[in-house]
Amino acid sequence: AQKITQTQPGMFVQEKEAVTLDCTYDTSDQSYGLFWYKQPSSGEMIFLIYQGSYDEQNATEGRYSLNFQKARKSANLVISASQLGDSAMYFCAMRPPRGGRNQGGKLIFGQGTELSVKP
Amino acid sequence: DAGVIQSPRHEVTEMGQEVTLRCKPISGHDYLFWYRQTMMRGLELLIYFNNNVPIDDSGMPEDRFSAKMPNASFSTLKIQPSEPRDSAVYFCASRGLAGKGEQFFGPGTRLTVL
Repeated sequence: AQKITQTQPGMFVQEKEAVTLDCTYDTSDQSYGLFWYKQPSSGEMIFLIYQGSYDEQNATEGRYSLNFQKARKSANLVISASQLGDSAMYFCAMRPPRGGRNQGGKLIFGQGTELSVKP
Repeated sequence: DAGVIQSPRHEVTEMGQEVTLRCKPISGHDYLFWYRQTMMRGLELLIYFNNNVPIDDSGMPEDRFSAKMPNASFSTLKIQPSEPRDSAVYFCASRGLAGKGEQFFGPGTRLTVL
């Protein structure tokens, strides 16, 4: 069964430092997508970054980068130069291959990691 | 551009009452998803639609839950009768064919069933 595991329920980081949030996934499929979302205390889900299983380069979006290690089935999120506004829940999600009942690219979410940035 | 719109933002009701949650997806998006978020179970996909047609409702917990999408700009999730264990945040999300397949989420509806 496809599954996303985020082993860190909570993390602390000092402002301006980098932090890595772990995500491992379990799938036997070759084609899939990996996403990270941020959920601040206000509750909305904000898309951060995407990595396709066939992408050779690690994805980057501003201060966010995704450390994709396919053989290890890990897709860790790296946030550089942490800011106070980065304090939030972070969710890793996987999109199984499209087709059949997953035509729309439904996402499977991990349990999340709560990141607190200290001034 | 307006994002995904959900109403109401908060709903408090008593057990046994009917609850209707509403969603307006981003204009032009072909897919609409309903999720439920709780502390115990995390984020769960309930149902999703493509071009107004339900594709996968395997996540709908039981017959008390129903969802409709009468047109491309409106969807409802109904719970009848509601129970305290339905208390959760319900998110609607939509996506289009362009992009990387990311879903855009609404602000959520926080439902409390007393």
